[in-house]
Amino acid sequence: KNEVEQSPQNLTAQEGEFITINCSYSVGISALHWLQQHPGGGIVSLFMLSSGKKKHGRLIATINIQEKHSSLHITASHPRDSAVYICAVGVDSNYQLIWGAGTKLIIKP
Amino acid sequence: ETGVTQTPRHLVMGMTNKKSLKCEQHLGHNAMYWYKQSAKKPLELMFVYNFKEQTENNSVPSRFSPECPNSSHLFLHLHTLQPEDSALYLCASSQEGTASYEQYFGPGTRLTVT
Repeated sequence: KNEVEQSPQNLTAQEGEFITINCSYSVGISALHWLQQHPGGGIVSLFMLSSGKKKHGRLIATINIQEKHSSLHITASHPRDSAVYICAVGVDSNYQLIWGAGTKLIIKP
Repeated sequence: ETGVTQTPRHLVMGMTNKKSLKCEQHLGHNAMYWYKQSAKKPLELMFVYNFKEQTENNSVPSRFSPECPNSSHLFLHLHTLQPEDSALYLCASSQEGTASYEQYFGPGTRLTVT
């Protein structure tokens, strides 16, 4: 079992739909990261959180430390949101992030 | 817009060639990273430099040789690569070299080994 599991692996939705991507992890963490990778390859950090909830525009990230689970939500989805969304966790005193395999999201117009 | 640049963006090389990938960050960060991304696999950390000192070498074959002359520049020297080394190579930087800081990524170098 991977230490970071994302679901679903692939998600196709219509423009305007509310999107939820999930991330579960099995280790104690210092922080959880959500990142976005567009087809060109570049990766952008969306959120880093260790508790509660963060919001940026139409994106919302939540984390439940007790349940070792995080969700990334996209409201009013748009075709430009089509990308791979990656969850990664940081463990205290460790340089490495443990990476999820990513969720490929396609938003159809 | 990104504060991390990588060159070249695409590279095709034969197995006997020697080439170098370059990364530069303009963010004043103290840590820089090399990652390998193969198709349908999670990112694999290769090397970490923190304040110009290598702090992580993730069992990377010696045909990959990193160099960090200062906190703003990072190189990956390549020689006698194998076809399975074909991948997207990503550079990243962060304020400090722990997993509790956001990492900022470059656009990557798409490497094809023939």
